[in-house]
Amino acid sequence: EPEVTQTPSHQVTQMGQEVILRCVPISNHLYFYWYRQILGQKVEFLVSFYNNEISEKSEIFDDQFSVERPDGSNFTLKIRSTKLEDSAMYFCASSHRTGGNEKLFFGSGTQLSVL
Amino acid sequence: AQTVTQSQPEMSVQEAETVTLSCTYDTSESNYYLFWYKQPPSRQMILVIRQEAYKQQNATENRFSVNFQKAAKSFSLKISDSQLGDTAMYFCAFMIGPAGGTSYGKLTFGQGTILTVHP
Repeated sequence: EPEVTQTPSHQVTQMGQEVILRCVPISNHLYFYWYRQILGQKVEFLVSFYNNEISEKSEIFDDQFSVERPDGSNFTLKIRSTKLEDSAMYFCASSHRTGGNEKLFFGSGTQLSVL
Repeated sequence: AQTVTQSQPEMSVQEAETVTLSCTYDTSESNYYLFWYKQPPSRQMILVIRQEAYKQQNATENRFSVNFQKAAKSFSLKISDSQLGDTAMYFCAFMIGPAGGTSYGKLTFGQGTILTVHP
């Protein structure tokens, strides 16, 4: 069964450093998302992306965040200058809407630890 | 804005028994979708079941079924014949339908319910 793949599974960085989280969505999917989950809290929407543009972003997704689909397979989330509060599990998700059969498939996540 | 509430932070059940997890939501939309996701200790998000708001029939997937009460804005998950592998955090989630424009496809999650299945 096709899967959403995320790398790395764990990322440790120093405060103020830039990180790039990588995702390979399911190959025939057109809609891409990033979510995050701070330990012990609920999963929160960050951003949605379609046709090489951001469709919607949450208030969490400030100027420090950016997304990109640099080629036909990867979908990346960049945090320019990490803060302690960016420590969280980051999930990539993708979907392919056919006849309203909307389902999001999630990757296994990248655990980001900012020290 | 949509909200999703799971009022049970933790639940436990004996193996082979049945358990029901509660979820309520608030929306002014008429067309939307509801989901239950399972998050085991590995923290992967696994889709358990999906319900379209326009369908009166409750969705079922093997041992998992929902009780969807649209008027009450309630969406509970029933797990029958519980197994040890069902131990996980369960999240209820809401998605607005196509009329939501760019919000279509965006999930709003509840706080989660930790389910423990005891042998």
